[in-house]
Amino acid sequence: KQEVTQIPAALSVPEGENLVLNCSFTDSAIYNLQWFRQDPGKGLTSLLLIQSSQREQTSGRLNASLDKSSGRSTLYIAASQPGDSATYLCAVPTGNQFYFGTGTSLTVIP
Amino acid sequence: DAGVIQSPRHEVTEMGQEVTLRCKPISGHNSLFWYRQTMMRGLELLIYFNNNVPIDDSGMPEDRFSAKMPNASFSTLKIQPSEPRDSAVYFCASSRDGNNEQFFGPGTRLTVL
Repeated sequence: KQEVTQIPAALSVPEGENLVLNCSFTDSAIYNLQWFRQDPGKGLTSLLLIQSSQREQTSGRLNASLDKSSGRSTLYIAASQPGDSATYLCAVPTGNQFYFGTGTSLTVIP
Repeated sequence: DAGVIQSPRHEVTEMGQEVTLRCKPISGHNSLFWYRQTMMRGLELLIYFNNNVPIDDSGMPEDRFSAKMPNASFSTLKIQPSEPRDSAVYFCASSRDGNNEQFFGPGTRLTVL
C-alpha cells in the first residue's frame, strides 16, 4: 500500500520568505502527483499537477518538483504572502487508488 | 463553469436515519470520486467512477454505504443507517480522466447525533 508523508506538519514563516514543503511516497509506480491547498472549512483547490514523466511544474510563485526514483516531491513557494496561509496536501494516484498526505499547515505572518 | 457542485452543504441527522449526499461533476469530466475527510484519518477515497461505472469501491467502509452514478452529470452517496462515527466532511471530485487533475467540490459536512 502506498504511504504518503508530508513534513513538516506545520510551518510558520514571516511574510516575504521563500519556503519548501515536502512530500514523500513509498511506491514509485505513480501516474502523476498533484498539489492542493485547503483553506479552513473549504474544499481542496488544485495548485499543480506533475506527470510521472516530468521533473517540475511552475505556476506563478509556485514551483513543484518530482523525483520518482527517490519518492519525493517538493513545493516551493516564493515570496510568501499572508494569503498563502492554508493547509497544503499532495496526492498520488497508484493503481486504482488515490493517496493523500496528511498535509502541511502553513501560516505566513504579516 | 460552476465547478463541482455538492448538496447539501451541511447535514445534521440522528443516528439510524438515512443520509443522501449529492454531487454534480464538471461537465465533460468522465471520472468522479467520493472522499471522506476526518481529523483522525485525513482524506480517504471511498469510491471512484469512470464513465458512470464504479471502478474501485474498496474504500467504502461498510455495507451501510452505497454510491450510484445513474448518468454523467449526477452521483449520490447514501448512508443507511447512519452512525455517529460517520460524522465527517464528504467531498466529491471530478477529472477528465481517471489520472488527470482532480477538481473538488466544497464538501458536505455531516453530523450524526
